[in-house]
Amino acid sequence: NAGVTQTPKFRVLKTGQSMTLLCAQDMNHEYMYWYRQDPGMGLRLIHYSVGEGTTAKGEVPDGYNVSRLKKQNFLLGLESAAPSQTSVYFCASSLERDYNEQFFGPGTRLTVL
Amino acid sequence: AQTVTQSQPEMSVQEAETVTLSCTYDTSESNYYLFWYKQPPSRQMILVIRQEAYKQQNATENRFSVNFQKAAKSFSLKISDSQLGDTAMYFCAFKNTNAGKSTFGDGTTLTVKP
Repeated sequence: NAGVTQTPKFRVLKTGQSMTLLCAQDMNHEYMYWYRQDPGMGLRLIHYSVGEGTTAKGEVPDGYNVSRLKKQNFLLGLESAAPSQTSVYFCASSLERDYNEQFFGPGTRLTVL
Repeated sequence: AQTVTQSQPEMSVQEAETVTLSCTYDTSESNYYLFWYKQPPSRQMILVIRQEAYKQQNATENRFSVNFQKAAKSFSLKISDSQLGDTAMYFCAFKNTNAGKSTFGDGTTLTVKP
């Protein structure tokens, strides 16, 4: 199993450009998550999904959109990138039961100039 | 909303010694789950240990154990016989029953010195 994979690993954008980050998991997990990690601020939840076709807002959703058209994929979109969105983005997935841990991807380092 | 506080941004320990990382949380719920995750430098985050709030017995996983104090809302991680490979950022996480999502602390960067 590849686990949780993220594409791309690195990206540099100019202010106002758009892009989509792809997260894929091959563990048949119901739940998927997008986080951003900034220095000294830990992990902050952007959006999450509890199943195919469903999405929900996390604590910092502004400026991002997501889609979960297939169970194994969770896409994060930036419509008009801003320098404040410079961060490391992590995707995670988990089984449905509460005691199950999240499995994380390797991260995408995004810089917005 | 739940909050998770890790009051030690950085810690260091000598190889083979014991270190304890602190975590406190705030909730009005009686049943929930707590996790410690490890993020090694340039590597993926992985689970270290978990605790279910309704279980009074502290969880242990080899050299890793927790001190869960429900009344104090405290969930500290003890690493015994520290190894160089334990160098990482450690995150405490809280998950409410049926919430579908977790709240993470800001992390503690642990350095194990030879």
